[in-house]
Formats: sequence, C-alpha cells, structure tokens
Amino acid sequence: GAVVSQHPSRVICKSGTSVKIECRSLDFQATTMFWYRQFPKKSLMLMATSNEGSKATYEQGVEKDKFLINHASLTLSTLTVTSAHPEDSSFYICSARGGGSIQETQYFGPGTRLLVL
Amino acid sequence: GENVEQHPSTLSVQEGDSAVIKCTYSDSASNYFPWYKQELGKGPQLIIDIRSNVGEKKDQRIAVTLNKTAKHFSLHITETQPEDSAVYFCAASLYLFNKFYFGSGTKLNVKP
Repeated sequence: GAVVSQHPSRVICKSGTSVKIECRSLDFQATTMFWYRQFPKKSLMLMATSNEGSKATYEQGVEKDKFLINHASLTLSTLTVTSAHPEDSSFYICSARGGGSIQETQYFGPGTRLLVL
Repeated sequence: GENVEQHPSTLSVQEGDSAVIKCTYSDSASNYFPWYKQELGKGPQLIIDIRSNVGEKKDQRIAVTLNKTAKHFSLHITETQPEDSAVYFCAASLYLFNKFYFGSGTKLNVKP
C-alpha cells in the first residue's frame, strides 16, 4: 500500500516552454502533497506543500509564479514549471501524506528528471 | 527551525558487516523520525520510522534507536548485502505537522 506515482519519469524540453509533472497517490487519499527538488548527490529540498483544495505554501526562495502547483483532488497534484530555463534542470520528486494509520509519514514518488535545453 | 545533521556522508562496509548511520536534531519538540533509502535515479523509499515515545524499533536486519535526551537517532543495518548499497536519509518532524527536515544523506557502499 501507499504507492505514489509520477508522470513523466523523464522530460526534455526547450528553453522557454512549460512542463507539467503529475503526482498521484494510487491507493490512498493524500490530504497533503509535497514537491521537492534534488540536485546531484544532494539532499531533498522542499519547494512547496499543498493541501487539497487550497493554495500551495511555498518555501522561502521558491518562485510561486514559476513553479505552479495545483492540488485539485485527493489523489492528484501537479507541478508546472513555466518558461523553463536550463537552470531548472533537476530531479523533481513529489511525496504524499494520507490519513488514518499512514498520516504521519510521507510516501515518495519515483521522481521526474527534467532537462531543459 | 529544526536542523538535522547526518554522519557519515559516505560509508563503505564489507558484505556481512554492520553499518551504522547517525543523525542529530536540534528541536526537542520533534517527535517523529523516518529513515529513507534512495537508489540511483529513484525516489526515496521509507524503510523504518520511530516515534519519540519509543527508544528502539527493529524490522528484520534494520533497527533504529532514539535518544531523546541527547537528541540523536541512529540507523543500524546488520548482515549487510550488496543490495543495501544506496543513499540513506534521516528526517525529523513534528507528528502530524507538514514539514520533514532531512539530513544530508549517507552513501552506503556494501562491497561483495
């Protein structure tokens, strides 16, 4: 149980375009979803926290107009990187937290590798 | 805010030996401590967690110990196998609160 999927797993795009990444909780309802960014050989950097039906809360230094987050349902959150530039290339990982006995931990998706040319 | 430090950054052990990874935290209010294993190119996977009302928890070859007074917790892997090779992250949080504070990670290499 507690499976989280992400799509796509890899994406290559041209500079200036927008890219959408989907995060789904497959077998539980995610009251809260999180978006992280990870640089090579580094730890996870929290970008934002989103609760279903509410606006996302962004961490300091993360541009909310550049990284648009939507959490429209209890099983789906999306991250849109707008007007992507090469410096946005990174590994993006989502996680989800549910209710009941699994509400205290976060379950991570497999990640999305973004390369902006 | 909370600050989690993790040591060592890299750890090499021979297959069959034990591996220990240590983390310290700064906020005495933190009460939930998960450990994640991340293989190359994949998302982190929860391997074990512990709440502050428990001093030790074990799951087969993996155990976690917590010392609330000293504010540190450790991951113990016994009888290591090559497939244990990965990066391990510790984290601390307030129970039911949103944010996890992650350590910097430990790259474990188990040599066959």
